[in-house]
Amino acid sequence: AQTVTQSQPEMSVQEAETVTLSCTYDTSESDYYLFWYKQPPSRQMILVIRQEAYKQQNATENRFSVNFQKAAKSFSLKISDSQLGDAAMYFCAYRRLISSGSARQLTFGSGTQLTVLP
Amino acid sequence: KAGVTQTPRYLIKTRGQQVTLSCSPISGHRSVSWYQQTPGQGLQFLFEYFSETQRNKGNFPGRFSGRQFSNSRSEMNVSTLELGDSALYLCASSLVWGRGNTGELFFGEGSRLTVL
Repeated sequence: AQTVTQSQPEMSVQEAETVTLSCTYDTSESDYYLFWYKQPPSRQMILVIRQEAYKQQNATENRFSVNFQKAAKSFSLKISDSQLGDAAMYFCAYRRLISSGSARQLTFGSGTQLTVLP
Repeated sequence: KAGVTQTPRYLIKTRGQQVTLSCSPISGHRSVSWYQQTPGQGLQFLFEYFSETQRNKGNFPGRFSGRQFSNSRSEMNVSTLELGDSALYLCASSLVWGRGNTGELFFGEGSRLTVL
């Protein structure tokens, strides 16, 4: 079974600074998806960034980027120029490559609560 | 394009009652999955439906059930409610497979269930 571990329950960052959230996972598969989701106090889960395991290039979405280390099974999220609106719970998640009949659910880490200080 | 819609947003029940939660997926999404979120257990997968059939099920007792209709809307039901069923229930929709499938799940705002 796949597992996802987020070892930082809480993190804080000063506005405009950079912060990195850590995530490790365990899987025996070679192809899969990794995601970072954000859940603000309004509680709707929103996708921040996604990475396909077969792609060596790290994904980037504006101020958000990942450091994907497949051999180490590590998937960290870097938030640059942090803004007050970035404050939320961040979840790392794993999903098997989509194929007919396979287990397709997301496996989530326990989350990292990010506080942005003004 | 409308997002995933869940109803009701909040509800309070007492032990022993049953509850039905509803989820309307994004138009064109045929897969609907349900997750339970609690402070203690985090986010746990309940089940997934597509083509009106349950495809995967998480490790939950039989009191938790669901179904999907021909228009892809889904309902989940919890019978004989227990205090521990108090949680945020999240519904997510996605494409099943094929072109354009990025693997992403799109979530609703959730239904907050309190069991007294």
